[in-house]
Order: sequence, then structure tokens, then C-alpha cells
Amino acid sequence: DAKTTQPNSMESNEEEPVHLPCNHSTISGTDYIHWYRQLPSQGPEYVIHGLTSNVNNRMASLAIAEDRKSSTLILHRATLRDAAVYYCIDYALNFGKGTSLLVTP
Amino acid sequence: EAGVAQSPRYKIIEKRQSVAFWCNPISGHATLYWYQQILGQGPKLLIQFQNNGVVDDSQLPKDRFSAERLKGVDSTLKIQPAKLEDSAVYLCASSLDSGGNQPQHFGDGTRLSIL
Repeated sequence: DAKTTQPNSMESNEEEPVHLPCNHSTISGTDYIHWYRQLPSQGPEYVIHGLTSNVNNRMASLAIAEDRKSSTLILHRATLRDAAVYYCIDYALNFGKGTSLLVTP
Repeated sequence: EAGVAQSPRYKIIEKRQSVAFWCNPISGHATLYWYQQILGQGPKLLIQFQNNGVVDDSQLPKDRFSAERLKGVDSTLKIQPAKLEDSAVYLCASSLDSGGNQPQHFGDGTRLSIL
């Protein structure tokens, strides 16, 4: 079973920042936290991953709590193309149900 | 670079028939994964290969599912006989290696419908 918990859905306005939370309270000290997103009829797409430090790439930022039991994916300016199901995975092998992000114009 | 290729894109069969899916990973990727994604759920790992060896197949229903990656490159997943509950999208993914620091790259999957 998935060891991460996420809200079922979130909504954001276009061009606003979005913070997607994830709890992974059973994570081990060496497990990376990965985030993927999935559009309808497509396979999941890698977004970002990290271990302890906050991470940034061209798609998003990842803020990891100091105790590593939670993390937040940050989309700095949501666009309509960011509407997708977002998954966080603590050992990159099993996905939960994810968070369905709705972006409204 | 070319992405993960999967075929067929769609497949419809009757229960108790057999079916096979094919996956060609990204060139140079040692690790290959097969996932099952039932409608409304996240992907569930079925089997993980490192080159041509199995790393994890704990969630593979071995009485009906089998997978191979004989030459450590492309892979096939087979279901025989199929049950109604096997209706799902079957996703293949690959990564450079099996370490947790490597992201997975997914194909678009094969959508299987069992009648």
C-alpha cells in the first residue's frame, strides 16, 4: 500500500502559486521523495525529486520538511497546462491516488 | 532522446484469453518497470528489472502474469488467462538504474479492456 498521503483535490487560479502537500511519515533516511504528474491518457511525467534539501528545477520547487515526514511541491505560477493528477512517492515505486489539481482561468 | 515505447496502445480481449504487451525503454536505461493502473487509482508496481534480472515482483500475480527482459533491453508482459479485474492501463517505465535518485520515464501505456 502507498505510504504517502495527499489531498484528493485542490484548485488554483491561473498565474497564482500552488502548494501541493504530501505526508510521508514512514519515510526512511535514505529514501528520495519523488513527484510525478499525470495528464489524462498519458503516462506519469517526472516533475522533481529530493532527499533533504529544497530543490528547484524549471518545472517546480520542492520544499522538504526538516524531519522529512512531509514535503510540498510548489508551482510558482499555475497555468492551465498544469491541471493534472500530482503524485508524491517516498520510494519511487508505488503511487497513491494523488492530488487532482484544477486550474481555473 | 526517444522516450519509452509501448505497444499496442489499446487491446480488447475476452476473459480467459491471453494477451501480451511490449515495452522498449530509453536507450541505456538499466532498470525497467511494469505498472498496472486501474481507473481512478495511481499506478501499482507489478515488476522491476535491473538489466535482465528481477529486482522486485512481489505484487505480480504469478498465477496469471509473467514478464521477461531476456536481453536486458526490451520487455514483454503477458497475462494468461485474463480476468475481468485485469482491465486497466499497463504502464512501462525505465530509469538509468534502480537507485532512488533516478527519476522514472514512463510510456503512455496500453489500455486493456476485458469483455
